[in-house]
Amino acid sequence: SQQGEEDPQALSIQEGENATMNCSYKTSINNLQWYRQNSGRGLVHLILIRSNEREKHSGRLRVTLDTSKKSSSLLITASRAADTASYFCATCLSNDYKLSFGAGTTVTVRA
Amino acid sequence: GAGVSQTPSNKVTEKGKYVELRCDPISGHTALYWYRQSLGQGPEFLIYFQGTGAADDSGLPNDRFFAVRPEGSVSTLKIQRTERGDSAVYLCASSFGGRGNEQFFGPGTRLTVL
Repeated sequence: SQQGEEDPQALSIQEGENATMNCSYKTSINNLQWYRQNSGRGLVHLILIRSNEREKHSGRLRVTLDTSKKSSSLLITASRAADTASYFCATCLSNDYKLSFGAGTTVTVRA
Repeated sequence: GAGVSQTPSNKVTEKGKYVELRCDPISGHTALYWYRQSLGQGPEFLIYFQGTGAADDSGLPNDRFFAVRPEGSVSTLKIQRTERGDSAVYLCASSFGGRGNEQFFGPGTRLTVL
């Protein structure tokens, strides 16, 4: 079973615009991680945010975490065509090690 | 340094055949994970190794699936009597330590069972 759920399922934006996607989960977590996947193959790790953190940045990426609402968001600013990919949130539960992934958000950036 | 590697990148087999999928983790990573990803879905956990032992194999769908990591490095996922429903991308990941650490994924093996 998948613990995380991304919203929206798909997103199409113009190059230069911002893209925001959300992730909701069900049970208490140790951390939440965001991954990018191109063409259905290997996943690239983007950001890990721990349960005691509220916001993290990495380049054009900003991740927030609201443990009271059991939700996280990923913001990509000034999007580029190369950002076209599927984005997954994955939760790592407290006292656990494996990741539980959502079904992902497919982002298309139009030139 | 080198990332996680997986071989083969693609495997086509016939229903009922046996297959082996190999994962070479990042050197020094003690934890190794196998996930399976079906089309349009996120990866689903199969099994986790800490060192040589399978610490959690609760995600293996049935007893046709088995995985080993005899020397605490390379791992092999073995599928007996393959079925069409086994068709998926099989992903391997490794991490330094286990609990709550960033996992580094390989490119995956796309398995197609005809």
